[in-house]
Amino acid sequence: GQNIDQPTEMTATEGAIVQINCTYQTSGFNGLFWYQQHAGEAPTFLSYNVLDGLEEKGRFSSFLSRSKGYSYLLLKELQMKDSASYLCAVIGGRSTLTFGKGTMLLVSP
Amino acid sequence: GAVVSQHPSWVICKSGTSVKIECRSLDFQATTMFWYRQFPKQSLMLMATSNEGSKATYEQGVEKDKFLINHASLTLSTLTVTSAHPEDSSFYICSANKRDRGTYEQYFGPGTRLTVT
Repeated sequence: GQNIDQPTEMTATEGAIVQINCTYQTSGFNGLFWYQQHAGEAPTFLSYNVLDGLEEKGRFSSFLSRSKGYSYLLLKELQMKDSASYLCAVIGGRSTLTFGKGTMLLVSP
Repeated sequence: GAVVSQHPSWVICKSGTSVKIECRSLDFQATTMFWYRQFPKQSLMLMATSNEGSKATYEQGVEKDKFLINHASLTLSTLTVTSAHPEDSSFYICSANKRDRGTYEQYFGPGTRLTVT
């Protein structure tokens, strides 16, 4: 079966750094995605990791450890517009995406 | 780019009627299209995977006779919710894989908000 866990909610201050963790247990593994979703909108792509290590893209970085079934999304220099739900999703052996329940991030001034 | 559109963006229908939602890849050909459903404050749940010219593969618990999927071309897939009931009210999102790249990345449409009264 597929199981993806991430915290339900997190809060942070504008300008700060926040790390959103995701652990997974899946049948097969072909990569892990992070998506950002604002309320009432579709998810937008942030990152894709298939090999261990850190991928950096501007203010956002994503890390993967396949042996630990663990990933995190790191957001730096937080802005108010970063308030959104962040979805961890895994491509399993069936080549379909399984999403975690999402982490609602609230950035305050 | 990789743009996916959905139509309509929102729809209100009466209980017992059917509603069709279109998903189009505007600037690329899609190998596979996916249909998701998202209830308030919950994550996206995959309903079915559709490949052009073949029958859709439905996830466990999704009624194929209720949620009809047609994937007539490499740029168009449709989801028809038949005999809709209030519990079918949800946010329906489609996504598509690019045909010309061996990638797992999915490009999402903007979603369709369905309300059944």
